Amino acid sequence: KAGVTQTPRYLIKTRGQQVTLSCSPISGHRSVSWYQQTPGQGLQFLFEYFSETQRNKGNFPGRFSGRQFSNSRSEMNVSTLELGDSALYLCASSQHQGGNSGYTFGSGTRLTVV
Amino acid sequence: AQTVTQSQPEMSVQEAETVTLSCTYDTSENNYYLFWYKQPPSRQMILVIRQEAYKQQNATENRFSVNFQKAAKSFSLKISDSQLGDTAMYFCAFRKETSGSRLTFGEGTQLTVNP
Repeated sequence: KAGVTQTPRYLIKTRGQQVTLSCSPISGHRSVSWYQQTPGQGLQFLFEYFSETQRNKGNFPGRFSGRQFSNSRSEMNVSTLELGDSALYLCASSQHQGGNSGYTFGSGTRLTVV
Repeated sequence: AQTVTQSQPEMSVQEAETVTLSCTYDTSENNYYLFWYKQPPSRQMILVIRQEAYKQQNATENRFSVNFQKAAKSFSLKISDSQLGDTAMYFCAFRKETSGSRLTFGEGTQLTVNP
């Protein structure tokens, strides 16, 4: 069974640009969550999608958005990039929303804003 | 809001020995789940062990076990017979039953297993 696939692995963008990151969950998993990981703030929840609907949202500005497609693949978009958006972005998938299921993470996308 | 605290930024242990990583959390919820994840240099977060708050029995997965003290809001991870491959950043995480799949993570503990 293939794991959670995140693309691209690395990305360098300039301030003011926008970026789209992709996450393909494990086959059969319908919930996808996104996290931002930085040395200063640690791991912070961005949002969760389940059955193409956003179910939860963390405390991030509106520049951060996402969506989920009918095949459960998810994308997150960051517009008007700032230097502080440089981070490792991780996505995690699970079969159901909530429950005691462990979440399977991808290897992340390392975004650098210059 | 829930908070998770890992008070040990770094720890080291000799190969084959036992080490315990600490985690405390703060919540007013009664039903929740606790997790330990490891993040090696490959960056992928890997689930180590999970615990449901309503279960009194401590979870065990091979060399990994937890000491869950609900009243004290403590959730420590014990690694027995440490191996070099256990070297990683370890994160404690909390999820309340009503928050969907949203996890709240601690700051992490960097564990180094020395040969």
